[in-house]
Amino acid sequence: GESVGLHLPTLSVQEGDNSIINCAYSNSASDYFIWYKQESGKGPQFIIDIRSNMDKRQGQRVTVLLNKTVKHLSLQIAATQPGDSAVYFCAESSGGYQKVTFGTGTKLQVIP
Amino acid sequence: DADVTQTPRNRITKTGKRIMLECSQTKGHDRMYWYRQDPGLGLRLIYYSFDVKDINKGEISDGYSVSRQAQAKFSLSLESAIPNQTALYFCATSDLRIGTGVNEQFFGPGTRLTVL
Repeated sequence: GESVGLHLPTLSVQEGDNSIINCAYSNSASDYFIWYKQESGKGPQFIIDIRSNMDKRQGQRVTVLLNKTVKHLSLQIAATQPGDSAVYFCAESSGGYQKVTFGTGTKLQVIP
Repeated sequence: DADVTQTPRNRITKTGKRIMLECSQTKGHDRMYWYRQDPGLGLRLIYYSFDVKDINKGEISDGYSVSRQAQAKFSLSLESAIPNQTALYFCATSDLRIGTGVNEQFFGPGTRLTVL
């Protein structure tokens, strides 16, 4: 059947290597950013967030970097595992987090 | 997330038919959202509601309507379905944590709608 992952940029990574997924945002007023993971057949799931007064935030095996100068966000996944295979979306919001705007997504394929 | 449920999970309908997609949540959140997802595209916001008496249009509300029957229920209607409304539809909830500013959204499993 048709997949959400079709036509998306794809990043293929060897198991155990680090992954870096990039996202450019356009709204300079955005002050809150979130990364979501969407596995096949499921809804998106929150991974990590960062506010605009920070440049870096770390979670378990994941790190988000924010460069406000060039409006760029990245998600780094350490020691990528097969279970990390999914589509990853960045999202941005502003003005008291009224609503969130999602990017188009990147498909991560982990090669065993 | 089992706390956010959507019915039906799959639906095939014909052009011109009225369709209702339902969303229920047990998280006690005030904020609820409807998104559609198309292949190769991100999620696009259709409507959102911050409490029972609040309804707001998102970026692609034309052809859709919503009803917030209770804090826990938010339904999406297609008054007269057309083929380009074929998509995956997701309901989400959130509860802004004041102070931390975290606005994590919890998504349902999605409804795959096909309009012939």
